[in-house]
Amino acid sequence: EPEVTQTPSHQVTQMGQEVILRCVPISNHLYFYWYRQILGQKVEFLVSFYNNEISEKSEIFDDQFSVERPDGSNFTLKIRSTKLEDSAMYFCASSETPAGTGELFFGEGSRLTVL
Amino acid sequence: GDSVTQMEGPVTLSEEAFLTINCTYTATGYPSLFWYVQYPGEGLQLLLKATKADDKGSNKGFEATYRKETTSFHLEKGSVQVSDSAVYFCALWYSSASKIIFGSGTRLSIRP
Repeated sequence: EPEVTQTPSHQVTQMGQEVILRCVPISNHLYFYWYRQILGQKVEFLVSFYNNEISEKSEIFDDQFSVERPDGSNFTLKIRSTKLEDSAMYFCASSETPAGTGELFFGEGSRLTVL
Repeated sequence: GDSVTQMEGPVTLSEEAFLTINCTYTATGYPSLFWYVQYPGEGLQLLLKATKADDKGSNKGFEATYRKETTSFHLEKGSVQVSDSAVYFCALWYSSASKIIFGSGTRLSIRP
């Protein structure tokens, strides 16, 4: 069964360092998303991406964040200069149709720990 | 703004007990409503959904009814199993939006 895969499963970094989280969405999907969950809190929307453009982003997704689909298969989230409060589980998701009309398929998450 | 509020966990039940996990939402208009489930070590996956008022979503013995008058979408199951142990997320979506909004999740543990 097709699935969304994320790497790394866990990354520990020092404050101020750049981090890239990688995702391989399901191959025929067109819509891509990043969410995050700080321990014990809500699953928060970060950004949605379609047709090589950001469709929508939250206020969390500031200039320190960027997304890219560099080669038609990977979908990456970059945090330019990490802060302590960026520590969270980051989930990638993809869908064949727009969010809500069909099903979002999620990866298992990448846990980011900023020291 | 739009939001989803779930009952806090953890919820611990014995096998074959009746389950209710409460979910209410705040939104303008009429969103679609979802329950997602996350089993240990896995990503979130869609459990059921309802797209308009009075719709009932159902899957794997779970049900939830879209109640516009109480802005609720409570998840129920008549007889839970140990394999239902997971984290359950209530969520909503607007047709004009490019995102699904999730609640904070409710951890469910079922004792044999």
